[in-house]
Amino acid sequence: DADVTQTPRNRITKTGKRIMLECSQTKGHDRMYWYRQDPGLGLRLIYYSFDVKDINKGEISDGYSVSRQAQAKFSLSLESAIPNQTALYFCATGLAVGTDTQYFGPGTRLTVL
Amino acid sequence: GENVEQHPSTLSVQEGDSAVIKCTYSDSASNYFPWYKQELGKRPQLIIDIRSNVGEKKDQRIAVTLNKTAKHFSLHITETQPEDSAVYFCAASKASGTYKYIFGTGTRLKVLA
Repeated sequence: DADVTQTPRNRITKTGKRIMLECSQTKGHDRMYWYRQDPGLGLRLIYYSFDVKDINKGEISDGYSVSRQAQAKFSLSLESAIPNQTALYFCATGLAVGTDTQYFGPGTRLTVL
Repeated sequence: GENVEQHPSTLSVQEGDSAVIKCTYSDSASNYFPWYKQELGKRPQLIIDIRSNVGEKKDQRIAVTLNKTAKHFSLHITETQPEDSAVYFCAASKASGTYKYIFGTGTRLKVLA
């Protein structure tokens, strides 16, 4: 779904570095989410936002922060990356009302050495 | 806390046979249950969903059933084809307030030709 884009698609960084993952959408959706995917653990919610003034922690927010710069942009930051944050990160979007469906971006593969 | 259990973690079937994946949820207030398919290296994509006021839903070769009393729901794929090989995730959500998904841990389906 080209309506939800993520940059970068792949990133290798070192322990202690600050890194930002970006998500942009042209779907006009209000809700945006950041998930982390690890083998055997499925998709776990890091943060979610319903609009630029509404940011909420998910189940695994420790070590992460987010910024909702605009309705269309939602960034995830790792202030000081550590190796166990190596994972596949997905952004997702959804409408605020009506449907519950979430639409995923292509993912960012992050490796922390 | 809220939890979704998914079984089996891996499933191999012969082409043309049926496949069934089962999920159990813990939060009785959950009322929306999507299923996502994730092909290797791709993003999760919605394949079918069901709401709590419906017991069964079909879309060509795939169907989902819901048993609210037992708090479990299942994905059924008939006449499996090699292109059905992927990881399948179930999720549970409450269609109000947060619209958060709780995902199962995924099932890797292999369709053997």
